[in-house]
Amino acid sequence: DAGVIQSPRHEVTEMGQEVTLRCKPISGHDYLFWYRQTMMRGLELLIYFNNNVPIDDSGMPEDRFSAKMPNASFSTLKIQPSEPRDSAVYFCASSFQGDSYGYTFGSGTRLTVV
Amino acid sequence: AQSVSQHNHHVILSEAASLELGCNYSYGGTVNLFWYVQYPGQHLQLLLKYFSGDPLVKGIKGFEAEFIKSKFSFNLRKPSVQWSDTAEYFCAVTEYNQGGKLIFGQGTELSVKP
Repeated sequence: DAGVIQSPRHEVTEMGQEVTLRCKPISGHDYLFWYRQTMMRGLELLIYFNNNVPIDDSGMPEDRFSAKMPNASFSTLKIQPSEPRDSAVYFCASSFQGDSYGYTFGSGTRLTVV
Repeated sequence: AQSVSQHNHHVILSEAASLELGCNYSYGGTVNLFWYVQYPGQHLQLLLKYFSGDPLVKGIKGFEAEFIKSKFSFNLRKPSVQWSDTAEYFCAVTEYNQGGKLIFGQGTELSVKP
Protein backbone atom coordinates (compact mmCIF):
# COMPACT_ATOMS: atom_id res chain seq x y z
CA ASP A 1 0.00 0.00 0.00
CA ALA A 2 1.32 3.43 -0.93
CA GLY A 3 0.01 5.04 2.25
CA VAL A 4 -1.70 8.41 2.44
CA ILE A 5 -0.60 10.52 -0.50
CA GLN A 6 -0.55 14.29 -0.35
CA SER A 7 0.25 16.78 -3.06
CA PRO A 8 2.01 19.02 -3.55
CA ARG A 9 4.85 18.47 -1.06
CA HIS A 10 5.74 22.13 -1.10
CA GLU A 11 3.71 25.13 -2.19
CA VAL A 12 4.82 28.74 -2.29
CA THR A 13 2.18 31.26 -3.21
CA GLU A 14 1.53 34.95 -3.00
CA MET A 15 -0.90 36.44 -0.56
CA GLY A 16 -4.40 36.58 -1.99
CA GLN A 17 -3.99 33.57 -4.25
CA GLU A 18 -6.09 30.44 -4.04
CA VAL A 19 -4.33 27.33 -2.76
CA THR A 20 -5.60 23.76 -3.11
CA LEU A 21 -4.08 20.89 -1.18
CA ARG A 22 -4.86 17.32 -2.16
CA CYS A 23 -5.05 14.04 -0.30
CA LYS A 24 -5.58 10.45 -1.33
CA PRO A 25 -6.36 8.25 1.69
CA ILE A 26 -5.53 4.60 2.06
CA SER A 27 -7.96 2.45 0.13
CA GLY A 28 -10.66 1.08 2.42
CA HIS A 29 -10.21 3.69 5.12
CA ASP A 30 -13.47 5.37 6.04
CA TYR A 31 -12.18 8.35 8.04
CA LEU A 32 -10.13 11.23 6.70
CA PHE A 33 -8.61 14.06 8.75
CA TRP A 34 -6.94 17.35 7.89
CA TYR A 35 -4.44 18.77 10.40
CA ARG A 36 -2.33 21.91 10.41
CA GLN A 37 1.04 22.06 12.16
CA THR A 38 2.74 25.29 13.21
CA MET A 39 5.41 26.10 15.75
CA MET A 40 3.04 28.30 17.70
CA ARG A 41 -0.06 26.13 17.78
CA GLY A 42 1.27 22.61 17.29
CA LEU A 43 -1.01 20.11 15.56
CA GLU A 44 -4.56 21.33 15.09
CA LEU A 45 -7.42 19.26 13.73
CA LEU A 46 -9.14 21.30 11.05
CA ILE A 47 -11.87 18.95 9.81
CA TYR A 48 -12.64 15.28 9.49
CA PHE A 49 -14.85 13.15 7.29
CA ASN A 50 -16.53 9.79 7.77
CA ASN A 51 -17.62 7.98 4.62
CA ASN A 52 -17.03 11.20 2.65
CA VAL A 53 -19.33 13.25 4.90
CA PRO A 54 -17.88 16.11 6.97
CA ILE A 55 -18.43 15.30 10.65
CA ASP A 56 -16.70 18.11 12.48
CA ASP A 57 -15.32 21.27 10.91
CA SER A 58 -15.06 23.28 14.12
CA GLY A 59 -11.31 23.53 13.71
CA MET A 60 -11.47 25.30 10.37
CA PRO A 61 -10.04 28.71 11.20
CA GLU A 62 -12.34 30.86 9.07
CA ASP A 63 -14.45 31.02 5.96
CA ARG A 64 -11.38 31.26 3.76
CA PHE A 65 -10.84 27.56 4.42
CA SER A 66 -12.99 24.87 2.83
CA ALA A 67 -12.64 21.12 2.46
CA LYS A 68 -14.36 18.58 0.28
CA MET A 69 -14.36 14.85 -0.14
CA PRO A 70 -16.18 14.07 -3.39
CA ASN A 71 -15.40 10.35 -3.17
CA ALA A 72 -13.69 7.82 -0.94
CA SER A 73 -10.33 8.22 -2.60
CA PHE A 74 -9.85 11.98 -2.75
CA SER A 75 -10.10 15.08 -0.60
CA THR A 76 -9.13 18.70 -1.03
CA LEU A 77 -8.42 21.54 1.35
CA LYS A 78 -8.75 24.94 -0.23
CA ILE A 79 -7.68 28.34 1.06
CA GLN A 80 -9.07 31.36 -0.75
CA PRO A 81 -7.68 33.96 -0.43
CA SER A 82 -4.45 32.84 1.22
CA GLU A 83 -2.66 34.94 3.85
CA PRO A 84 0.88 34.76 5.28
CA ARG A 85 -0.46 33.44 8.59
CA ASP A 86 -1.71 30.36 6.74
CA SER A 87 1.90 29.27 6.28
CA ALA A 88 2.19 25.86 7.92
CA VAL A 89 2.52 22.17 7.22
CA TYR A 90 -0.82 20.60 6.41
CA PHE A 91 -1.20 16.89 7.09
CA CYS A 92 -3.86 14.55 5.91
CA ALA A 93 -4.52 11.30 7.79
CA SER A 94 -6.85 8.40 7.28
CA SER A 95 -8.09 5.55 9.43
CA PHE A 96 -10.34 2.51 9.35
CA GLN A 97 -13.31 2.48 11.72
CA GLY A 98 -12.12 5.54 13.57
CA ASP A 99 -9.16 5.15 15.83
CA SER A 100 -9.34 1.40 16.32
CA TYR A 101 -6.33 0.73 14.17
CA GLY A 102 -4.50 4.02 14.55
CA TYR A 103 -4.23 6.79 12.05
CA THR A 104 -1.91 6.88 9.05
CA PHE A 105 -0.52 10.26 8.16
CA GLY A 106 0.62 11.56 4.82
CA SER A 107 3.95 13.30 4.31
CA GLY A 108 2.35 16.72 4.53
CA THR A 109 2.25 19.82 2.35
CA ARG A 110 4.50 22.67 3.43
CA LEU A 111 2.67 25.85 2.49
CA THR A 112 4.42 29.20 2.40
CA VAL A 113 2.38 32.30 1.68
CA VAL A 114 4.49 35.36 0.90
CA ALA B 1 -13.02 20.57 26.13
CA GLN B 2 -10.63 17.70 25.95
CA SER B 3 -6.98 18.67 26.04
CA VAL B 4 -3.59 17.01 26.16
CA SER B 5 -0.62 18.42 28.02
CA GLN B 6 2.99 17.43 27.49
CA HIS B 7 5.24 18.60 30.26
CA ASN B 8 8.50 19.11 28.45
CA HIS B 9 8.98 21.14 25.29
CA HIS B 10 12.58 20.12 24.71
CA VAL B 11 14.56 17.29 26.27
CA ILE B 12 18.27 16.79 25.68
CA LEU B 13 19.85 13.45 26.59
CA SER B 14 23.07 11.60 25.95
CA GLU B 15 23.01 8.24 24.26
CA ALA B 16 22.17 5.35 26.61
CA ALA B 17 20.32 7.63 29.02
CA SER B 18 16.82 6.68 30.08
CA LEU B 19 13.86 8.61 28.76
CA GLU B 20 10.52 9.51 30.24
CA LEU B 21 8.19 11.98 28.55
CA GLY B 22 5.14 13.11 30.43
CA CYS B 23 1.61 13.31 29.06
CA ASN B 24 -1.61 14.23 30.85
CA TYR B 25 -5.09 14.56 29.43
CA SER B 26 -8.13 16.35 30.70
CA TYR B 27 -11.03 14.16 29.63
CA GLY B 28 -12.70 12.26 32.46
CA GLY B 29 -14.35 9.53 30.42
CA THR B 30 -12.93 6.50 28.69
CA VAL B 31 -10.18 7.40 26.27
CA ASN B 32 -7.89 5.84 23.73
CA LEU B 33 -4.29 6.99 24.00
CA PHE B 34 -1.49 7.23 21.47
CA TRP B 35 2.11 8.27 21.11
CA TYR B 36 3.35 9.40 17.71
CA VAL B 37 6.87 10.24 16.60
CA GLN B 38 7.89 12.73 13.92
CA TYR B 39 11.45 12.46 12.66
CA PRO B 40 12.92 15.65 11.18
CA GLY B 41 11.18 16.52 7.95
CA GLN B 42 8.92 13.49 8.04
CA HIS B 43 5.31 12.69 8.81
CA LEU B 44 3.92 11.33 12.04
CA GLN B 45 4.30 7.64 12.74
CA LEU B 46 2.49 5.62 15.38
CA LEU B 47 4.76 4.43 18.22
CA LEU B 48 2.16 2.74 20.38
CA LYS B 49 -1.44 2.91 21.48
CA TYR B 50 -3.58 1.98 24.45
CA PHE B 51 -7.25 1.05 24.24
CA SER B 52 -7.84 -1.28 27.17
CA GLY B 53 -6.27 -4.12 29.13
CA ASP B 54 -2.71 -4.10 30.45
CA PRO B 55 -1.88 -0.47 31.24
CA LEU B 56 1.74 -1.04 30.27
CA VAL B 57 1.91 -0.89 26.51
CA LYS B 58 4.90 -1.82 24.43
CA GLY B 59 5.51 -0.17 21.09
CA ILE B 60 8.05 -0.15 18.33
CA LYS B 61 11.76 0.64 18.69
CA GLY B 62 11.87 -0.27 22.39
CA PHE B 63 9.38 2.34 23.55
CA GLU B 64 6.71 1.67 26.14
CA ALA B 65 4.06 3.72 27.88
CA GLU B 66 2.09 3.33 31.07
CA PHE B 67 -1.51 4.37 31.45
CA ILE B 68 -2.32 5.54 34.99
CA LYS B 69 -6.03 6.27 35.05
CA SER B 70 -6.02 7.91 38.49
CA LYS B 71 -3.44 10.42 37.30
CA PHE B 72 -4.88 10.89 33.80
CA SER B 73 -1.39 10.17 32.53
CA PHE B 74 0.20 8.21 29.72
CA ASN B 75 3.94 8.67 30.01
CA LEU B 76 6.34 7.41 27.36
CA ARG B 77 9.52 5.62 28.39
CA LYS B 78 12.61 4.06 26.88
CA PRO B 79 15.39 2.54 29.01
CA SER B 80 18.27 3.55 26.73
CA VAL B 81 17.95 6.13 23.97
CA GLN B 82 19.94 6.23 20.76
CA TRP B 83 20.99 9.12 18.55
CA SER B 84 18.40 7.92 16.01
CA ASP B 85 15.63 8.63 18.54
CA THR B 86 16.12 12.35 17.95
CA ALA B 87 12.65 13.48 16.91
CA GLU B 88 9.52 15.16 18.12
CA TYR B 89 7.10 13.07 20.18
CA PHE B 90 3.39 13.68 20.37
CA CYS B 91 0.89 12.32 22.83
CA ALA B 92 -2.69 12.11 21.53
CA VAL B 93 -6.13 11.19 22.80
CA THR B 94 -9.50 10.24 21.40
CA GLU B 95 -12.73 9.68 23.24
CA TYR B 96 -13.57 5.99 23.40
CA ASN B 97 -15.71 4.73 20.55
CA GLN B 98 -16.17 8.19 19.09
CA GLY B 99 -14.20 7.46 15.96
CA GLY B 100 -12.55 10.74 15.25
CA LYS B 101 -10.99 13.83 16.77
CA LEU B 102 -7.51 12.73 17.65
CA ILE B 103 -6.36 15.57 19.90
CA PHE B 104 -2.62 16.13 20.11
CA GLY B 105 -0.40 17.58 22.80
CA GLN B 106 2.05 20.32 21.89
CA GLY B 107 4.86 17.85 21.35
CA THR B 108 8.22 17.25 23.01
CA GLU B 109 11.38 17.67 21.01
CA LEU B 110 13.97 15.07 21.96
CA SER B 111 17.62 15.66 21.09
CA VAL B 112 20.00 12.78 21.74
CA LYS B 113 23.69 13.64 21.79
CA PRO B 114 26.04 10.93 20.46
